[in-house]
Amino acid sequence: NAGVIQTPRHKVTGKGQEATLWCEPISGHSAVFWYRQTIVQGLEFLTYFRNQAPIDDSGMPKERFSAQMPNQSHSTLKIQSTQPQDSAVYLCASSGDWGGQDTQYFGPGTRLLVL
Amino acid sequence: GDKVKQSPSALSLQEGTNSALRCNFSIAATTVQWFLQNPRGSLINLFYLVPGTKENGRLKSAFDSKESYSTLHIRDAQLEDSGTYFCAAIASSSFSKLVFGQGTSLSVVP
Repeated sequence: NAGVIQTPRHKVTGKGQEATLWCEPISGHSAVFWYRQTIVQGLEFLTYFRNQAPIDDSGMPKERFSAQMPNQSHSTLKIQSTQPQDSAVYLCASSGDWGGQDTQYFGPGTRLLVL
Repeated sequence: GDKVKQSPSALSLQEGTNSALRCNFSIAATTVQWFLQNPRGSLINLFYLVPGTKENGRLKSAFDSKESYSTLHIRDAQLEDSGTYFCAAIASSSFSKLVFGQGTSLSVVP
């Protein structure tokens, strides 16, 4: 069991560029979550998929951020026109999501730096 | 205000001693997870709790949904226990998202 895989581990972009972050959940898990960690805000929920369908995106900034889950083996988080305030560690988690509640297992994160 | 409030924010323990971390919830928490974030930044699962208690080695955790709090007890602290401990709750009003506390930074010293 490789755990949740996230790529790249580090990404540096210039202001205004696009960043795409990838997540491969644990095989067999039906739920995928994206969180963001910063020093100021701590760990914040962004969005959640169950069986590839978007369920809750209440934490996503309304502009420039989008997430997709085209198949059960990967999800992407895309940030358009990146800004310095987007710099953070982006964490992906997956769970079996039995009845909407189950242990969430986190990947190592992608550290995004926007210059 | 903070929906999940952790205390203390920082703690220094001498090796071999015991301590307890606490989370208070202002949301109707139904399940709680405790994590240790290691120096590399990885979130390591410690416990997943419905109301009740669990124990694993030198760690013991409890979750009381009626009183809206959870605790993590560390017994015989070791140097490798150092890191930042996070609790996170799923609220009955949300789908499955974890709401995190701000963390407790623990340093175990010889």
